[in-house]
Amino acid sequence: QVQLVESGGGVVQPGRSLRLSCAASGFTFSSYGMHWVRQAPGKGLEWVAVISYDGSNKYYTDSVKGRFTISRDNSKDTMNLQMNSLRAEDTAVYYCAKGEGSGWHSEHLDNWGQGTLVTVSS
Amino acid sequence: EIVMTQSPATLSVSPGERATLSCRASQSVSDNLAWYQQKPGQAPRLLLYGASTRATDIPARFSGSGSETEFTLTISSLQSEDFAVYYCQQYDNWPQTFGLGTRVEI
Repeated sequence: QVQLVESGGGVVQPGRSLRLSCAASGFTFSSYGMHWVRQAPGKGLEWVAVISYDGSNKYYTDSVKGRFTISRDNSKDTMNLQMNSLRAEDTAVYYCAKGEGSGWHSEHLDNWGQGTLVTVSS
Repeated sequence: EIVMTQSPATLSVSPGERATLSCRASQSVSDNLAWYQQKPGQAPRLLLYGASTRATDIPARFSGSGSETEFTLTISSLQSEDFAVYYCQQYDNWPQTFGLGTRVEI
């Protein structure tokens, strides 16, 4: 069965950086688009970024453009989110999610990890 | 970006009753609409996609309808495990956007 396991969350000061990882198993990782979705405490879901199956297409929500970078390593079945210049409003649980297709087109998310909490605070 | 508006914010229902949740898009999303269920402390789970297609292992009491800008999620007979928050998501355009959710409570 599909498994997605996030890691790398923690407490970080404003302006600093953090790198999240997502380890995937149970499916052909190199065939699917992968996404990050976040959820601030007590709030709803916010889609953050996508990377296509081959890493050639990346798209970000406006609030993280220029600060966050999504990447993947298909040889290791892993995806990463490099988060720079972090702000208090980036505080959230970050979920890794598998797209139903290649990631070249907007798509629904058919499997989710359990999430990792990022807290940006001085 | 496309704004998704869900109503009501909270729905109080008794076990065994029907629940009807609404989702409206600020512009047409065709049938590129998904519904997710989230229980406290858990990750979201895909319920429906393509506005009306149930995901794997989702019970038949969950059904979806609608197209373009108006969508509905119906839970025909609420079970105790169905009390949760439900989100709609459009995936017609980037960025993909979610509604704020409907909490279904006892």
